[in-house]
Amino acid sequence: DIQMTQSPSSLSASVGDRVTITCQASQDIRKYLNWYQQKPGKAPKLLIYDASTLETGVPSRFSGRGFGTDFTLTISSLQPEDIAMYYCQQYDNLSYTFGQGTKLEIK
Amino acid sequence: EVQLVQSGAEVKKPGESLKISCKTSGYMFTTYWIGWVRQMPGKGLEWMGIIYPGDSDARYSPSFQGQVTISVDTSITTAYLHWSGLKASDTAMYYCARRNYYHYAMDVWGEGTAVTVSS
Repeated sequence: DIQMTQSPSSLSASVGDRVTITCQASQDIRKYLNWYQQKPGKAPKLLIYDASTLETGVPSRFSGRGFGTDFTLTISSLQPEDIAMYYCQQYDNLSYTFGQGTKLEIK
Repeated sequence: EVQLVQSGAEVKKPGESLKISCKTSGYMFTTYWIGWVRQMPGKGLEWMGIIYPGDSDARYSPSFQGQVTISVDTSITTAYLHWSGLKASDTAMYYCARRNYYHYAMDVWGEGTAVTVSS
């Protein structure tokens, strides 16, 4: 099984800050890395797929980069509505794994 | 509009069986994989498995293989998650989600079904 290591586990930042979350795969997953946002009491929401493609309707302040084993999710200017949990997810041959999640809070 | 509507909350006793559902609409059910995700109280997302409704090909995460069964009823465009003998550790929120046709991410999610297992 491919393991995903996501960091940090929690992050506190101010409105307007640039925020970056990282995700590392235990083996090469090429571009097959997705990012989800989950707000309290809600289902996850897809933000980015294939490492860097923004899902329709997702604000352009969100971006993703990476290939192989190292990936990042960046929020260019943190907004109050971005407070949530963020999860990476890898795909390999009909098998998926989530990262442990990052809790993003406002400072 | 694509929708995944899950069945309501359940309270069961250890050892009981349970089948929760995910009713889909707004797209061709048989051509999109449907996955299931567990979220235990206060914890992260865990991948359980996925099924292709076109031929009922189901793949399970090793952690859930033999613990649950994923199935579909194409006549009513519904996916299911079934336990034959619940444990207290099955207490969690369970989400179904559709895998996008063109890429491998889960693009539409159900609202979740809360399962509580307690004696």
